Amino acid sequence: GENVEQHPSTLSVQEGDSAVIKCTYSDSASNYFPWYKQELGKRPQLIIDIRSNVGEKKDQRIAVTLNKTAKHFSLHITETQPEDSAVYFCAASIPQAGTALIFGKGTTLSVSS
Amino acid sequence: GAVVSQHPSWVICKSGTSVKIECRSLDFQATTMFWYRQFPKQSLMLMATSNEGSKATYEQGVEKDKFLINHASLTLSTLTVTSAHPEDSSFYICSARDLYSGKAFFGQGTRLTVV
Repeated sequence: GENVEQHPSTLSVQEGDSAVIKCTYSDSASNYFPWYKQELGKRPQLIIDIRSNVGEKKDQRIAVTLNKTAKHFSLHITETQPEDSAVYFCAASIPQAGTALIFGKGTTLSVSS
Repeated sequence: GAVVSQHPSWVICKSGTSVKIECRSLDFQATTMFWYRQFPKQSLMLMATSNEGSKATYEQGVEKDKFLINHASLTLSTLTVTSAHPEDSSFYICSARDLYSGKAFFGQGTRLTVV
Protein backbone atom coordinates (compact mmCIF):
# COMPACT_ATOMS: atom_id res chain seq x y z
CA GLY A 1 0.00 0.00 0.00
CA GLU A 2 0.85 3.67 -0.09
CA ASN A 3 3.46 5.08 2.30
CA VAL A 4 3.97 8.81 2.69
CA GLU A 5 7.07 10.32 4.28
CA GLN A 6 7.07 13.96 5.38
CA HIS A 7 9.92 16.26 6.43
CA PRO A 8 10.74 18.14 8.53
CA SER A 9 8.72 17.21 11.59
CA THR A 10 9.12 20.70 13.01
CA LEU A 11 9.89 23.99 11.31
CA SER A 12 10.43 27.38 12.89
CA VAL A 13 10.61 30.53 10.80
CA GLN A 14 10.48 34.26 11.30
CA GLU A 15 7.47 36.17 10.11
CA GLY A 16 7.88 37.08 6.46
CA ASP A 17 10.20 34.18 5.68
CA SER A 18 9.28 31.27 3.43
CA ALA A 19 8.56 27.76 4.65
CA VAL A 20 8.96 24.57 2.66
CA ILE A 21 7.64 21.13 3.61
CA LYS A 22 8.52 18.07 1.57
CA CYS A 23 6.82 14.72 1.09
CA THR A 24 7.59 11.53 -0.77
CA TYR A 25 5.21 8.73 -1.67
CA SER A 26 5.71 5.12 -2.65
CA ASP A 27 2.76 4.10 -4.84
CA SER A 28 3.20 5.17 -8.45
CA ALA A 29 -0.56 4.79 -8.93
CA SER A 30 -1.24 7.74 -6.62
CA ASN A 31 -2.15 10.84 -8.55
CA TYR A 32 -3.87 13.11 -6.05
CA PHE A 33 -1.85 15.03 -3.45
CA PRO A 34 -3.64 17.31 -1.00
CA TRP A 35 -2.23 19.37 1.85
CA TYR A 36 -4.10 19.95 5.08
CA LYS A 37 -3.66 22.44 7.90
CA GLN A 38 -4.71 21.37 11.37
CA GLU A 39 -4.95 23.66 14.34
CA LEU A 40 -4.91 22.21 17.83
CA GLY A 41 -8.06 20.26 18.62
CA LYS A 42 -9.66 21.02 15.27
CA ARG A 43 -10.35 19.17 12.08
CA PRO A 44 -7.86 19.19 9.20
CA GLN A 45 -8.65 21.82 6.61
CA LEU A 46 -7.78 21.37 2.96
CA ILE A 47 -5.52 24.23 1.88
CA ILE A 48 -4.37 23.15 -1.56
CA ASP A 49 -4.19 20.05 -3.70
CA ILE A 50 -2.53 18.94 -6.92
CA ARG A 51 -3.07 16.18 -9.40
CA SER A 52 -0.39 14.36 -11.32
CA ASN A 53 -1.18 16.03 -14.62
CA VAL A 54 0.01 19.33 -13.16
CA GLY A 55 3.53 20.16 -11.99
CA GLU A 56 2.76 23.22 -9.91
CA LYS A 57 -0.24 24.98 -8.44
CA LYS A 58 -0.41 28.27 -6.62
CA ASP A 59 -3.02 29.96 -4.46
CA GLN A 60 -1.92 33.35 -3.13
CA ARG A 61 0.91 32.67 -0.64
CA ILE A 62 0.67 28.91 -0.93
CA ALA A 63 2.08 26.78 -3.72
CA VAL A 64 2.56 23.07 -4.26
CA THR A 65 5.00 21.42 -6.64
CA LEU A 66 4.99 17.82 -7.81
CA ASN A 67 7.74 15.70 -9.30
CA LYS A 68 5.99 12.52 -10.34
CA THR A 69 9.15 10.88 -11.63
CA ALA A 70 10.86 11.27 -8.28
CA LYS A 71 7.61 10.70 -6.37
CA HIS A 72 7.87 13.79 -4.27
CA PHE A 73 5.82 16.90 -3.74
CA SER A 74 6.34 20.02 -1.68
CA LEU A 75 4.36 22.79 0.00
CA HIS A 76 5.71 26.31 -0.19
CA ILE A 77 4.39 29.11 2.00
CA THR A 78 5.72 32.58 1.28
CA GLU A 79 5.57 35.67 3.47
CA THR A 80 4.65 33.60 6.49
CA GLN A 81 2.44 35.07 9.19
CA PRO A 82 1.89 34.01 12.82
CA GLU A 83 -1.54 32.65 11.88
CA ASP A 84 0.18 30.16 9.59
CA SER A 85 1.40 28.39 12.73
CA ALA A 86 -0.22 24.94 12.77
CA VAL A 87 0.43 21.33 11.88
CA TYR A 88 0.54 20.62 8.16
CA PHE A 89 -0.10 17.19 6.68
CA CYS A 90 0.54 15.97 3.19
CA ALA A 91 -1.42 13.04 1.78
CA ALA A 92 -1.54 10.86 -1.30
CA SER A 93 -4.24 8.85 -2.99
CA ILE A 94 -5.93 8.05 -6.21
CA PRO A 95 -8.77 10.58 -6.66
CA GLN A 96 -11.62 8.15 -6.22
CA ALA A 97 -14.26 8.65 -3.58
CA GLY A 98 -13.88 5.08 -2.31
CA THR A 99 -10.17 5.37 -1.54
CA ALA A 100 -8.78 6.78 1.68
CA LEU A 101 -6.09 9.41 1.91
CA ILE A 102 -2.83 8.22 3.42
CA PHE A 103 -1.15 10.92 5.47
CA GLY A 104 2.39 11.88 6.22
CA LYS A 105 3.38 12.29 9.87
CA GLY A 106 2.89 16.02 9.85
CA THR A 107 5.02 19.15 10.21
CA THR A 108 4.58 21.56 13.08
CA LEU A 109 5.17 25.03 11.69
CA SER A 110 5.88 27.85 14.11
CA VAL A 111 6.01 31.40 12.80
CA SER A 112 7.41 33.92 15.24
CA SER A 113 6.86 37.65 14.93
CA GLY B 1 -16.77 22.63 0.15
CA ALA B 2 -18.77 19.67 1.34
CA VAL B 3 -19.84 19.54 4.97
CA VAL B 4 -19.19 16.58 7.24
CA SER B 5 -20.65 16.72 10.72
CA GLN B 6 -19.47 14.53 13.56
CA HIS B 7 -20.97 14.08 17.02
CA PRO B 8 -20.29 14.19 19.84
CA SER B 9 -17.27 16.49 19.82
CA TRP B 10 -16.13 15.09 23.13
CA VAL B 11 -17.16 12.29 25.45
CA ILE B 12 -15.97 10.89 28.75
CA CYS B 13 -16.94 7.34 29.60
CA LYS B 14 -16.14 4.69 32.16
CA SER B 15 -14.02 1.66 31.37
CA GLY B 16 -16.09 -1.19 30.03
CA THR B 17 -18.82 0.93 28.52
CA SER B 18 -19.49 1.54 24.83
CA VAL B 19 -19.49 4.83 22.99
CA LYS B 20 -21.10 5.61 19.65
CA ILE B 21 -19.79 8.35 17.36
CA GLU B 22 -21.83 9.61 14.42
CA CYS B 23 -20.57 11.01 11.15
CA ARG B 24 -22.93 12.65 8.71
CA SER B 25 -22.45 14.10 5.26
CA LEU B 26 -24.78 17.08 5.24
CA ASP B 27 -24.91 18.23 1.64
CA PHE B 28 -23.76 15.27 -0.38
CA GLN B 29 -24.11 11.51 -0.46
CA ALA B 30 -21.14 9.49 0.66
CA THR B 31 -21.15 5.84 -0.28
CA THR B 32 -17.81 5.58 1.47
CA MET B 33 -16.58 7.20 4.67
CA PHE B 34 -13.30 6.81 6.47
CA TRP B 35 -12.49 6.65 10.16
CA TYR B 36 -9.16 7.87 11.47
CA ARG B 37 -7.58 7.91 14.89
CA GLN B 38 -5.16 10.59 15.99
CA PHE B 39 -3.01 10.48 19.10
CA PRO B 40 -1.59 13.73 20.50
CA LYS B 41 1.03 15.27 18.26
CA GLN B 42 0.74 12.44 15.77
CA SER B 43 -0.70 11.94 12.34
CA LEU B 44 -4.08 10.63 11.27
CA MET B 45 -4.02 6.85 11.13
CA LEU B 46 -6.64 5.19 8.98
CA MET B 47 -8.68 2.72 11.02
CA ALA B 48 -11.31 1.56 8.56
CA THR B 49 -13.25 2.30 5.42
CA SER B 50 -16.99 2.38 5.90
CA ASN B 51 -19.07 1.27 2.93
CA GLU B 52 -22.80 1.98 2.68
CA GLY B 53 -24.80 -1.22 2.81
CA SER B 54 -21.85 -3.55 3.31
CA LYS B 55 -19.21 -4.47 5.84
CA ALA B 56 -16.46 -2.08 6.70
CA THR B 57 -12.89 -2.73 5.66
CA TYR B 58 -10.48 -2.55 8.58
CA GLU B 59 -6.80 -1.70 8.46
CA GLN B 60 -4.28 -4.17 9.76
CA GLY B 61 -4.10 -4.17 13.53
CA VAL B 62 -7.54 -2.63 14.08
CA GLU B 63 -9.92 -4.91 15.98
CA LYS B 64 -13.21 -5.05 14.11
CA ASP B 65 -15.06 -6.43 17.13
CA LYS B 66 -13.89 -3.54 19.25
CA PHE B 67 -14.51 -0.78 16.73
CA LEU B 68 -17.90 -1.51 15.22
CA ILE B 69 -18.75 0.45 12.10
CA ASN B 70 -22.19 0.78 10.60
CA HIS B 71 -22.99 2.67 7.40
CA ALA B 72 -26.73 2.22 7.04
CA SER B 73 -27.46 5.17 4.78
CA LEU B 74 -25.74 7.36 2.21
CA THR B 75 -25.31 10.14 4.75
CA LEU B 76 -24.55 8.42 8.04
CA SER B 77 -21.74 6.25 9.34
CA THR B 78 -21.29 5.33 12.99
CA LEU B 79 -18.30 4.11 14.94
CA THR B 80 -18.95 2.32 18.22
CA VAL B 81 -16.06 1.77 20.58
CA THR B 82 -17.08 -1.28 22.57
CA SER B 83 -15.87 -2.15 26.06
CA ALA B 84 -13.74 0.96 26.10
CA HIS B 85 -10.48 1.05 28.02
CA PRO B 86 -8.18 3.98 28.87
CA GLU B 87 -5.87 3.07 25.99
CA ASP B 88 -8.78 3.76 23.61
CA SER B 89 -8.68 7.40 24.64
CA SER B 90 -7.90 9.35 21.50
CA PHE B 91 -9.18 11.79 18.89
CA TYR B 92 -11.42 9.99 16.40
CA ILE B 93 -12.23 11.73 13.15
CA CYS B 94 -14.29 10.77 10.14
CA SER B 95 -13.89 11.80 6.54
CA ALA B 96 -15.74 11.58 3.26
CA ARG B 97 -14.60 12.33 -0.26
CA ASP B 98 -16.57 14.31 -2.78
CA LEU B 99 -17.64 11.99 -5.58
CA TYR B 100 -16.64 14.34 -8.39
CA SER B 101 -13.62 16.28 -7.17
CA GLY B 102 -12.12 13.56 -4.97
CA LYS B 103 -11.52 16.17 -2.27
CA ALA B 104 -11.73 14.81 1.27
CA PHE B 105 -13.55 16.66 4.03
CA PHE B 106 -13.41 15.94 7.72
CA GLY B 107 -15.82 15.95 10.59
CA GLN B 108 -15.04 18.00 13.68
CA GLY B 109 -13.55 15.02 15.43
CA THR B 110 -14.47 13.36 18.74
CA ARG B 111 -12.22 13.53 21.77
CA LEU B 112 -12.80 10.27 23.67
CA THR B 113 -11.56 9.97 27.23
CA VAL B 114 -12.00 6.65 29.00
CA VAL B 115 -11.65 6.79 32.78
